[in-house]
Amino acid sequence: SAVISQKPSRDICQRGTSLTIQCQVDSQVTMMFWYRQQPGQSLTLIATANQGSEATYESGFVIDKFPISRPNLTFSTLTVSNMSPEDSSIYLCSDLQGDEQFFGPGTRLTVL
Amino acid sequence: QKEVEQNSGPLSVPEGAIASLNCTYSDRGSQSFFWYRQYSGKSPELIMFIYSNGDKEDGRFTAQLNKASQYVSLLIRDSQPSDSATYLCASGAGSYQLTFGKGTKLSVIP
Repeated sequence: SAVISQKPSRDICQRGTSLTIQCQVDSQVTMMFWYRQQPGQSLTLIATANQGSEATYESGFVIDKFPISRPNLTFSTLTVSNMSPEDSSIYLCSDLQGDEQFFGPGTRLTVL
Repeated sequence: QKEVEQNSGPLSVPEGAIASLNCTYSDRGSQSFFWYRQYSGKSPELIMFIYSNGDKEDGRFTAQLNKASQYVSLLIRDSQPSDSATYLCASGAGSYQLTFGKGTKLSVIP
């Protein structure tokens, strides 16, 4: 399966700032996704990152707060904007290979 | 609202025993069901998926699906300490846009 990497692996940020998380896949994939896993909670899909067009956001998530880019078939970024402590979470990207969805190692974000 | 419910555990079983993990889902439109394993501090890794009613076996793992009861289970035979992890159940209309449960923490006691 394709290898997924994320940068940064973790970060501590101040309230009101923004952080951009990068996701790199070592081969071309059609579909990439961004999830959030808050402490003690399940994984929640934020959006589907579409190559060459705007991301498709799930209910409760908006582009102004979580802008996503996908310039090609191997790379995507998620920005968490104007952060608050409630944004403290693990953010994971994933891709779809056949019928199987694989996850990156995650980015652990703490907002003070 | 689509929901996937799992017993949070922890579920403790002795080494060599069968661990039984259960999951119910609310969306009758779900067609695909997945079990992921997540070690502490790590990302989820796919164990297996099931689409049809009945059982699906893969090594020590067996997934069971009952769409009428909206129920999915995962059996782990000959449980090993290395199986100790949180197990996530997920459902979806297809292979993506999945709804995840909160996970069941499994501890296999040597």
